[in-house]
Amino acid sequence: DAGITQSPRHKVTETGTPVTLRCHQTENHRYMYWYRQDPGHGLRLIHYSYGVKDTDKGEVSDGYSVSRSKTEDFLLTLESATSSQTSVYFCAISERVNEGYTFGSGTRLTVV
Amino acid sequence: EDQVTQSPEALRLQEGESSSLNCSYTVSGLRGLFWYRQDPGKGPEFLFTLYSAGEEKEKERLKATLTKKESFLHITAPKPEDSATYLCAVIMNYGGSQGNLIFGKGTKLSVKP
Repeated sequence: DAGITQSPRHKVTETGTPVTLRCHQTENHRYMYWYRQDPGHGLRLIHYSYGVKDTDKGEVSDGYSVSRSKTEDFLLTLESATSSQTSVYFCAISERVNEGYTFGSGTRLTVV
Repeated sequence: EDQVTQSPEALRLQEGESSSLNCSYTVSGLRGLFWYRQDPGKGPEFLFTLYSAGEEKEKERLKATLTKKESFLHITAPKPEDSATYLCAVIMNYGGSQGNLIFGKGTKLSVKP
C-alpha cells in the first residue's frame, strides 16, 4: 500500500489490557493519522501527527494515546482496552494537509 | 455541526447501467473534497480530489463533479469489478481540526454481470 504498513493485521485481546498498534511508512510524509471504522459510523479520526513528537486529538480520542518518535513510525496505544474499542483501525499518511491520504490495510482489533 | 451525507446507502446496478452517487456536505470553509474506493477487508484507496465548485475529474469509468453543496460520482457503463464501497470525505479550513478529513458513511455499489 504505497509504503505504509500496519501491524498487527489482526489482534484479539482481553478487556483491561494495554494494546499498541503500529503504523510504519517509507514515504517520509509529514502527516500521519489514526482512524477507526465501525458499521454505521464510517471512518472517524482518533489522533493525528504533523511532525515528530507533534500530535493532536481527533474526534474520538478518549481512551487512546499516540506517539511519534520518528518520522516513519506512529503508534496508537489503548491504555486499557474496552469492548467499545473493538473496531478496524486504519493508519493514513499525507505529505500536505489538503491532499488525499494514503491508507494502510488496517488492523482488526477484537476486545473480549 | 459539520456533516457529510452520502446517498444512496446501497446501489445495485446491472453491468453497463450508468448511475451517480451523491455526497452532500454542510461544512464551512471547504478546502477539498475527496473520493475513495474501499474493497472488503482493505483500506480506502484514493480516487479524486476536488477543490472548487465546477471542477471535474475523470478516471476510466468514473467522473467526479463538485458544486457548492454537493459532489457527484458518475459511473458510466459499470463493470462487476467496480463493485465496492465509495467513500466521500471533506477537509475544512485550517481554523478547524487541522488536516481532519470528515468522512461520509459510504455508498455500497454492487454491479451484477
